[in-house]
Amino acid sequence: DQQVKQNSPSLSVQEGRISILNCDYTNSMFDYFLWYKKYPAEGPTFLISISSIKDKNEDGRFTVFLNKSAKHLSLHIVPSQPGDSAVYFCAASGNQFYFGTGTSLTVIP
Amino acid sequence: KAGVTQTPRYLIKTRGQQVTLSCSPISGHRSVSWYQQTPGQGLQFLFEYFSETQRNKGNFPGRFSGRQFSNSRSEMNVSTLELGDSALYLCASSLEQGKAFFGQGTRLTVV
Repeated sequence: DQQVKQNSPSLSVQEGRISILNCDYTNSMFDYFLWYKKYPAEGPTFLISISSIKDKNEDGRFTVFLNKSAKHLSLHIVPSQPGDSAVYFCAASGNQFYFGTGTSLTVIP
Repeated sequence: KAGVTQTPRYLIKTRGQQVTLSCSPISGHRSVSWYQQTPGQGLQFLFEYFSETQRNKGNFPGRFSGRQFSNSRSEMNVSTLELGDSALYLCASSLEQGKAFFGQGTRLTVV
């Protein structure tokens, strides 16, 4: 049973525009959420995180929003750059990490 | 500071064989977790070790086992390999809640 879901396997965005990646989770006990970025043939790299006591966390071009009532997490990238093209995984932390299946983002120059 | 190191990077094994993968965490990190990544399945949690003890375990059969040594290095073993075990195996180490650092993975192909 997938406790963290990323329903969009892929997303294409024009350079300079906003990229919005979405993630839904089922367990209201999760207390920490993270986004990881993965290039082919490399391990995931940590991008940004948010604690369940917050609803927004910002780091440069990356902002994560948390809607606890909807059990929904999103990552906004503004402005999108071609180097952002990668697979993005959301993860939730409980007694272990639960990962989504990933969304492949392509930023078109 | 060196990152998480996984060896080997690539491995080809035959069905029925066993394999051992190695992971050296970031210095000072005592928690090591293992994940299996297959297309369409995302990262599936295998198990987590902390101070040489298995702290959490995912839903994988007993053919998948692991251990952690006193220097926090960890090994994962898969016995009686099946074709479906072909995947990228990722190791992650962490110091604090929520932030795990991943190695580059070991690409296992079972033929």
